[in-house]
This record gives sequence, C-alpha cells and structure tokens, in this order.
Amino acid sequence: EAQVTQNPRYLITVTGKKLTVTCSQNMNHEYMSWYRQDPGLGLRQIYYSMNVEVTDKGDVPEGYKVSRKEKRNFPLILESPSPNQTSLYFCASRTGQNLQETQYFGPGTRLLVL
Amino acid sequence: GESVGLHLPTLSVQEGDNSIINCAYSNSASDYFIWYKQESGKGPQFIIDIRSNMDKRQGQRVTVLLNKTVKHLSLQIAATQPGDSAVYFCAESRAGGSYIPTFGRGTSLIVHP
Repeated sequence: EAQVTQNPRYLITVTGKKLTVTCSQNMNHEYMSWYRQDPGLGLRQIYYSMNVEVTDKGDVPEGYKVSRKEKRNFPLILESPSPNQTSLYFCASRTGQNLQETQYFGPGTRLLVL
Repeated sequence: GESVGLHLPTLSVQEGDNSIINCAYSNSASDYFIWYKQESGKGPQFIIDIRSNMDKRQGQRVTVLLNKTVKHLSLQIAATQPGDSAVYFCAESRAGGSYIPTFGRGTSLIVHP
C-alpha cells in the first residue's frame, strides 16, 4: 500500500530535549516536505526536499532541521524544542516538482513541548 | 507572503443537500489551486485541483469553481453524505520558482443524517 508514515504519532517532551520525528514514504517520491498545523493558521511549510541531499527552507524553518540521506526518509529534527513548537506536524511527499502531482500526507504527529 | 482564507469556519448541512465551501485568495500571481479534505485524526487528502487557465473543473460529486476576477475559489459537493464531514481547506501556489504552497485555515463541514 502506497503511504507516508510518521513516528511517533504522539509525543510529549520538555523544553530543550532534542527529538526527531521520522517520515518515510514507499512511493519512490523525490519531493518530500514537512508542515506544521496550528489552529487558525492552516498548514505552514517548514522544510522541503527536492531530492536526496537537497533540502531548502519553507515558510517557518526556525528551530527545525531536516536531512535527506536517502530518498524514502525525511526526518524532522528539533535540536532544542520550545513550547511554541507544540503543534501538529505532517510529512508529505509527491513524485517531483510538478505542481499538478498529487501530494500525499502522512497521518500526523502531535507534539506537546512542556 | 499573501494569505489564503476561508469565509465560513463551520458549515452545517443535511444529508443529501449540496454544500458550497468558499475560499478567497489575495495573490493575483497564483495559478494553481488545490482543495484538501482532512478528517479528524488524519492527514490532508487531495480532492481536486484547478489551474488558473480554467474556471471550472469537475470530479466525482465535487466541482471547483475559480473566479480570477474576484480571486475566489469554491468547492461544491453534490448530495453531501455523512462521510463528507471533515475540515476542507484550499491551497494556492505559483508555477514559477520553488513550490511553497499557502494554505487556508479550513472550514469544518458537518453533515447531519
């Protein structure tokens, strides 16, 4: 089954404790991205990657890092989480840069930073 | 960047009725628009898209209308079913340069049986 998976689905942590949210897709997609979703704001892109070893900032990259060492995985790293990073995070992928390709979203990771 | 917004945060309809969800965008350079459906506890799911060279596109039970003159986008769902209950939001983007879409806040559609 074609899908985007994220782990963990739920996470409670404390300020400053480094964490990683994993994202994996089995569709051989080149393009992957991370979003956060907050009430009243809609989805905002954090980082995206057009291919292996190619990453770039989205609209809200501050406080986040990503890596793309292999095509299927695109982890999101919070080196020193802060309460304002409490949010619902979605990973997404699509075949390439063509805007008309369907973007597939993962199930989401709900993060609470105390 | 410029924003994409929705007129109605909540829309309640009866099963079988037609639903219309609206979206206003402010960037006249936007040339690609997408509607997503997000059910509770799940990630967004693509519904339908439209490019700016079109004013209407139809899918299965859904129709997207684009009015570039007033920068307005709508999603029409025919014969709404309880399974259509979800948050719907639009997204806009531009063909040139890196693709960073702008998403609307969402409208909650509630379908009463």
